[in-house]
Amino acid sequence: EVQLVESGGGLVQPGGSLRLSCAASGFTFTTYHMTWVRQAPGKGLEWVSVISGGGTITYYADSVKGRFTISRDNSKNTLYLQMNSLRAEDTAVYYCAAYPTRGHFDYWGQGTLVPVSS
Amino acid sequence: QSALTQPASVSGSPGQSITISCTGTSSDVGGYNYVSWYQQHPGKGPKLMIYDVSNRPSGVSNRFSGSKSGNTASLTISGLQAEDEADYYCSSYTSSSTYVFGTGTKVTVL
Repeated sequence: EVQLVESGGGLVQPGGSLRLSCAASGFTFTTYHMTWVRQAPGKGLEWVSVISGGGTITYYADSVKGRFTISRDNSKNTLYLQMNSLRAEDTAVYYCAAYPTRGHFDYWGQGTLVPVSS
Repeated sequence: QSALTQPASVSGSPGQSITISCTGTSSDVGGYNYVSWYQQHPGKGPKLMIYDVSNRPSGVSNRFSGSKSGNTASLTISGLQAEDEADYYCSSYTSSSTYVFGTGTKVTVL
């Protein structure tokens, strides 16, 4: 059974940093691209970032470019999102998702909440 | 990248069919057959319902179907059931090698 479990969320002050993790199991991690998607309270889904299976190719939404860094450790089957210079508008539930081929996200975690507030 | 445009809400009675539209541009929906649809129940993570415009993942009911014409994609739910009440989001791959989601549609079963 495929499982994606996010962790690392929690209250952070504006300007602060946080690193999210996503532990994957039940599939061959290195053959899946991984992505982060967020959802502000009461709002819709917003795509954040993607990383290739080998970790060499990454893309970011304009809203987080230069502040967030996506990475993965294939030896630990874990995806990361390093978030710096956090703003109130980054407040959201952050989901990780996995997909083997371009175009759609097959498997999703349950999300981790990141409130950014003083 | 602007969000794809969806109606805020759609409703129908049990057994009826409803259709949700998703309008983008030639740089996303119109340019690729990489449109997908996700169902999200309150407090839950999204679930893939349709991929590559019209394909259903294993386990998804055949009451769900997808199509595309130009820059607009559509999700149709036939034989509407109470369990279909949820939020639905479309998504598309883009010319920048990124992804964009729709604004979301709340489906209400009357």
